[in-house]
Amino acid sequence: ELKVEQNPLFLSMQEGKNYTIYCNYSTTSDRLYWYRQDPGKSLESLFVLLSNGAVKQEGRLMASLDTKARLSTLHITAAVHDLSATYFCAVGGDSNYQLIWGAGTKLIIKP
Amino acid sequence: GAGVSQSPSNKVTEKGKDVELRCDPISGHTALYWYRQSLGQGLEFLIYFQGNSAPDKSGLPSDRFSAERTGGSVSTLTIQRTQQEDSAVYLCASSLALGVLNTEAFFGQGTRLTVV
Repeated sequence: ELKVEQNPLFLSMQEGKNYTIYCNYSTTSDRLYWYRQDPGKSLESLFVLLSNGAVKQEGRLMASLDTKARLSTLHITAAVHDLSATYFCAVGGDSNYQLIWGAGTKLIIKP
Repeated sequence: GAGVSQSPSNKVTEKGKDVELRCDPISGHTALYWYRQSLGQGLEFLIYFQGNSAPDKSGLPSDRFSAERTGGSVSTLTIQRTQQEDSAVYLCASSLALGVLNTEAFFGQGTRLTVV
């Protein structure tokens, strides 16, 4: 059974700092997604990672995938308040429709 | 439409009543998904549609839950005889197709259901 674990589940940090959110999963998968959710809002797709060593960057966010370690990271560089949100990773299951979700990391960035 | 639209955005209902939640996916998206998100939790998969067909209903929590999709477009999730444990945010998502690895799902804003 595929399980997805994110850590930390809660992170409070100051603007300007760097930090990393981790997403571990228990069995092999061919796809991993990162989503952002603002309070009371929809989930917004951030990154789609499909291959070992894949790295994608958008602004201050960078996501990477190590399929051998079954680990993805979401790195935040020089955080700004606008990045405060809950970040979810989701890992593809055996079926092409199946996504297993992490519990989310609630990120608060203080000005 | 421009995005996935869900209605109502909020629903408060009495225990034992039936509720119907609606999802209007992005035009042209053949795949549609329903998820449930409880407070502080990740997403729990409920059911997906490919066109009007729902091949896997095993994610539905109980037989009080049912879903249908008509015309390859609008979907409704119905919960009969609601219980307090049904309280959650119900999210709908759509994507262009299944089986395409880089296809991302686009989410609606959800329906917050509160059973009192």
